Amino acid sequence: DGGITQSPKYLFRKEGQNVTLSCEQNLNHDAMYWYRQDPGQGLRLIYYSQIVNDFQKGDIAEGYSVSREKKESFPLTVTSAQKNPTAFYLCASSIQQNYGYTFGSGTRLTVV
Amino acid sequence: DQQVKQNSPSLSVQEGRISILNCDYTNSMFDYFLWYKKYPAEGPTFLISISSIKDKNEDGRFTVFLNKSAKHLSLHIVPSQPGDSAVYFCAASAPNTDKLIFGTGTRLQVFP
Repeated sequence: DGGITQSPKYLFRKEGQNVTLSCEQNLNHDAMYWYRQDPGQGLRLIYYSQIVNDFQKGDIAEGYSVSREKKESFPLTVTSAQKNPTAFYLCASSIQQNYGYTFGSGTRLTVV
Repeated sequence: DQQVKQNSPSLSVQEGRISILNCDYTNSMFDYFLWYKKYPAEGPTFLISISSIKDKNEDGRFTVFLNKSAKHLSLHIVPSQPGDSAVYFCAASAPNTDKLIFGTGTRLQVFP
């Protein structure tokens, strides 16, 4: 079955530590995205990538970094510079010029 | 600057009645609009979409209406069912971009 997998589902980290969230897709989609969901703020775009080895900042990229070394994978690193990292993180993918996103099931990150 | 707005954070509807979820946008360049449904701790799933060349699109119990002059779209669910209880996000896209801009979401509760 084709799909998009985020792992882990729940993640706890101490303040000041970097943490990397995994996102893998086997849909052969070119574009991948990272969104963050906070209560009352909807989904906000962190980073996106339209092709391998290329990515662009979204609306709230500060404190985050990404890589796109393979078409299937788009990991997100939440760095210690991110002031409010506790949130629900969603990864998505789409075919270029196709506006339907397929979302993963999300990772809830809690920083203590 | 919120380009896509869902001004009602929540909506409660009796089973069998119509649910109407509203969405407003400010960017006149948007030409494609989508609705996503999200259950807690899961990723959003695509529900229905509409191109700006249309004013209505229907899929079973779900109908989306677009009023370009008012920069307003709405999602009608009829008849509403308890399984429709979820958070609904509207999203919009401009030409030649893969990015979707999401609204803040409306939590729909359908009670018996």
